[in-house]
Amino acid sequence: ILNVEQSPQSLHVQEGDSTNFTCSFPSSNFYALHWYRWETAKSPEALFVMTLNGDEKKKGQISATLNTKEGYSYLYIKGSQPEDSATYLCASQQPVFGNEKLTFGTGTRLTIIP
Amino acid sequence: DTEVTQTPKHLVMGMTNKKSLKCEQHMGHRAMYWYKQKAKKPPELMFVYSYEKLSINESVPSRFSPECPNSSLLNLHLHALQPEDSALYLCASSHRISGGYEQYFGPGTRLTVT
Repeated sequence: ILNVEQSPQSLHVQEGDSTNFTCSFPSSNFYALHWYRWETAKSPEALFVMTLNGDEKKKGQISATLNTKEGYSYLYIKGSQPEDSATYLCASQQPVFGNEKLTFGTGTRLTIIP
Repeated sequence: DTEVTQTPKHLVMGMTNKKSLKCEQHMGHRAMYWYKQKAKKPPELMFVYSYEKLSINESVPSRFSPECPNSSLLNLHLHALQPEDSALYLCASSHRISGGYEQYFGPGTRLTVT
């Protein structure tokens, strides 16, 4: 059984502040790590797919790093805005008989306080 | 068109009813997925279709019956459900990108079984 853990479960951050949160996953049989942003009543939106140890990806003010040897990824948000309020999900990808399977964490619910 | 659509948005059904959830994408993706998400839990994979064939069934009870009539459509037929099946049902499709796969999600169908 693959356990993907995210912390913290929820976070309140003042507008303009920077923040980060963690996704940890079993490092054995690692294939790829996905980050999603999920606003209430909308579809989860893909942010990053990361595969290489030491990889760092950036999209606007959001960036992510990956450590496959120790099994964790960090998501950073610089200068938070109210529109960054969402649940951020990570998922570990495993190849299963030529298909991919994502195992999700429970998410970090981020609320930006204006 | 980079959208996965799902209908209906909300569904209330009795335990003796038969209903269907529908999912559609026109991105040419050849893999499609059904996930179930209960409150405060991560999305859990139910089924994967690859090239219109069922490739993964995560030991889902037979009261859930998936169907892929063509490469753009994915249905989930529901019959004799239990109240504990009440959840958000998410559909996704995926395509290969450099280093992995990227999944696109629909907004989900909120199902209540009474």
